[in-house]
Order: sequence, then structure tokens, then C-alpha cells
Amino acid sequence: GENVEQHPSTLSVQEGDSAVIKCTYSDSASNYFPWYKQELGKGPQLIIDIRSNVGEKKDQRIAVTLNKTAKHFSLHITETQPEDSAVYFCAASVFGNEKLTFGTGTRLTIIP
Amino acid sequence: KAGVTQTPRYLIKTRGQQVTLSCSPISGHRSVSWYQQTPGQGLQFLFEYFSETQRNKGNFPGRFSGRQFSNSRSEMNVSTLELGDSALYLCASSVRQASSYNEQFFGPGTRLTVL
Repeated sequence: GENVEQHPSTLSVQEGDSAVIKCTYSDSASNYFPWYKQELGKGPQLIIDIRSNVGEKKDQRIAVTLNKTAKHFSLHITETQPEDSAVYFCAASVFGNEKLTFGTGTRLTIIP
Repeated sequence: KAGVTQTPRYLIKTRGQQVTLSCSPISGHRSVSWYQQTPGQGLQFLFEYFSETQRNKGNFPGRFSGRQFSNSRSEMNVSTLELGDSALYLCASSVRQASSYNEQFFGPGTRLTVL
């Protein structure tokens, strides 16, 4: 089955700097890659996703890149703010299959 | 539009008991998936229901079961509870259209503690 690895497990960044979280997946059939943000006491919130026919997608301060050949995808957050502090999860799935395989999460701390 | 709702938010049970958790999807969403989140194993897929049928199942024992009603609301049941079943149980809903990628939206979860 699919396996998703996520790095780093913890990340501390000065406010205003950029943060990058990386994931790799094992199943070449995976073609949908969402990113979720989970704050304390809440469920995961979908923040951005990318499909395999696209190499990059951007939404304001958040961007995701996908390298299908290397089976890598990354989340980039620019101009970080204190409210960006949370646990971020990457995930992978196959078109038409609702099962998401998640990475192990990255705890991002923004230092004021 | 209201989000995914889960009830109850917190539960405390003892070993050997059984528990039922409920999930109401976003209006118009017909697919409901369940996930277990623990510090050790992370987020793991339990099963997915669509049109009152289980469409996909994760690698969990038969003590974990679920069902979906005609209004798309779903319940999951865990029988003969074990200490290791203590976790945050999350429900996610999606439209599940055959011709598109289906974004999944999560509820706040039910925190189950087994003593």
C-alpha cells in the first residue's frame, strides 16, 4: 500500500521567514495530494491541494510543488505569522478513492 | 454552510464496553470517511461509506464497524474496547463525484478515552 514520509517532524521559524515541509510517497498511482493544518483541539483543516497534472499551485502565502518523477511534494509558507503555528499533515490518494494516506505531521512553531 | 459535526466530543469508557460515535456530513456531501488519530500511529483510515455502503476499509480489526443512513449521516461502533482504542476519532465528508477529485473536510473529532 501507499506510504507517505514527512520531514521535518518539528520546525521553528522566525516570524516573517519562510517554512518548507517535504513529503515523499511510494505509490506511483497516487495523483491527489492535499495538505491539512491541525490546531490544538480541532480537526484537520484543508489548506491547499495539488493534482498530478500540475507542478505547482499557489494560494496567497501558501504554495505546493509536486515532482512526480521523484515522488516528492512540498508545502511552502512565506511571510510566516504567529497564527501559522500548528501541526501540518501531507496526504496522498488516488483519484476516485477517498482513502487518504497521511504523513506523520510537522509541528510548526512561529517565533515572534 | 455548516461544517462536519461529530457527537459526542468527549467520551470515557472502560475496557470491554462498546461505544457508538456519530457524524453528520456537510449538506450535499454523500461520502463519509472515518480516521483514527493517535500520537503513536498518526492518522489512519478506518473506512468510507457512500450511499449507505462501505466502499473502502482500512487495516483495523472487526471490532470497528460503521454504517451510513439514507440522509448520509454515519455512525461508527467499537465493541469490546481496549486501552489502545483511546484516540481522537475523526470523520471527513466529501461530495464523491466520479469525475472529480474529492476534497475531504474534517469534523472536530470525538476524543475517546478507555480506562
